[in-house]
Amino acid sequence: EIVLTQSPDFQSVTPKEKVTITCRASQSIGNNLHWYQQKPDQSPKLLIKYASQSFSGVPSRFTGSGSGTDFTLTINSLEAEDAATYYCHQSSSFPFTFGPGTKVDIK
Amino acid sequence: EVQLVESGGGLVQPGGSLRLSCAASGFTFSTYNMNWVRQAPGKGLEWVSFISGSTGTIYYADSVKGRFTISRDDAKSSLYLQMNSLRADDTAVYYCARGPTGSGFFDYWGQGTLVTVS
Repeated sequence: EIVLTQSPDFQSVTPKEKVTITCRASQSIGNNLHWYQQKPDQSPKLLIKYASQSFSGVPSRFTGSGSGTDFTLTINSLEAEDAATYYCHQSSSFPFTFGPGTKVDIK
Repeated sequence: EVQLVESGGGLVQPGGSLRLSCAASGFTFSTYNMNWVRQAPGKGLEWVSFISGSTGTIYYADSVKGRFTISRDDAKSSLYLQMNSLRADDTAVYYCARGPTGSGFFDYWGQGTLVTVS
């Protein structure tokens, strides 16, 4: 099973600040890494697919990068509505796995 | 508009069974992979099961293998999860999630249905 780790676990950020979340895989997964946003009491929403491809309708301030074992989700100029937990997910092999999540709070 | 609506959750005793359903609309259901993903209260996301849209290929997480069965009825645009021998650690919100054929990401999710085993 491929294990995903995320850092940080929690981040408190001021609006307009830049946020960087990293996801590391226990073995190489190519670009089979996706990012989701989950706001309180809502279902997750896809932000980035295949490491760097933005999903339709996602604001341009959300970008992804990386390949192999190290990946990054960047939120440029954070907005208040971005308060959420962010999860990475690998689809390189079954069982699919998720990272533990990074909670982003607005100061 | 893509819609996924789960139902069938509820309170069940340990060792009991429950069948979840996910009604899909707004897209050609048969051509998409479908998944179940769960989230225990206050915890992260855990993938549970996958069924492909073409060949019917099925996968399960080790934590549910042998106890849960995923199935689909393309004529009814519905996805199911039969859960047997339920345990307290199966308590979670269960989401159905769509995945385009040939891909691994989940582009649309339902609102979830809560299963409580107690």
